Amino acid sequence: GENVEQHPSTLSVQEGDSAVIKCTYSDSASNYFPWYKQELGKRPQLIIDIRSNVGEKKDQRIAVTLNKTAKHFSLHITETQPEDSAVYFCAASLYNQGGKLIFGQGTELSVKP
Amino acid sequence: DAMVIQNPRYQVTQFGKPVTLSCSQTLNHNVMYWYQQKSSQAPKLLFHYYDKDFNNEADTPDNFQSRRPNTSFCFLDIRSPGLGDAAMYLCATSRDPRTGGMETQYFGPGTRLLVL
Repeated sequence: GENVEQHPSTLSVQEGDSAVIKCTYSDSASNYFPWYKQELGKRPQLIIDIRSNVGEKKDQRIAVTLNKTAKHFSLHITETQPEDSAVYFCAASLYNQGGKLIFGQGTELSVKP
Repeated sequence: DAMVIQNPRYQVTQFGKPVTLSCSQTLNHNVMYWYQQKSSQAPKLLFHYYDKDFNNEADTPDNFQSRRPNTSFCFLDIRSPGLGDAAMYLCATSRDPRTGGMETQYFGPGTRLLVL
């Protein structure tokens, strides 16, 4: 089955710097890759997603890139702010396996003012 | 305008005492998922429904059962909770991903279960 590895497990940046979180997946048939942000005690919130027919997607300060050949995808956050501090999860999914999400281990991002 | 609602938000039960967690949705999505999330870990899928078609993950313990009486509601039953079942239980919904590609999963706020 699908396996998703996420790095780093913790990331600390200064406010205004960029943050990059990387994930690799094992099943080349996976075709959907969402990123979720989870604040302490709250639900995971989708922040951006990418489908396998697209190499890059951007939404304001957040971007995701996908390299299907290498089977990895990355989250880029620019001009980080303290409110970006949270745990970020990547996930991979196959629509024909019920759309179930296989999550990475999570990255705890800390943005220091 | 909550879309995925979970009750209760906090549940305390005793070791071995059956407990039921509930999830409801106003999105009219035909797929519903139950995830277990332990502290500092990623959510782990327990099972999911396409409409009333139940799909169990291979490693979901038999202690966990689920019911979906209609489109809007889904229940998670833990027959004999153990200390290791203490976790956040997240319900999520989506449109059917089989009909045209992936669909976003929307998570509820979760129910935090404490087992004494």
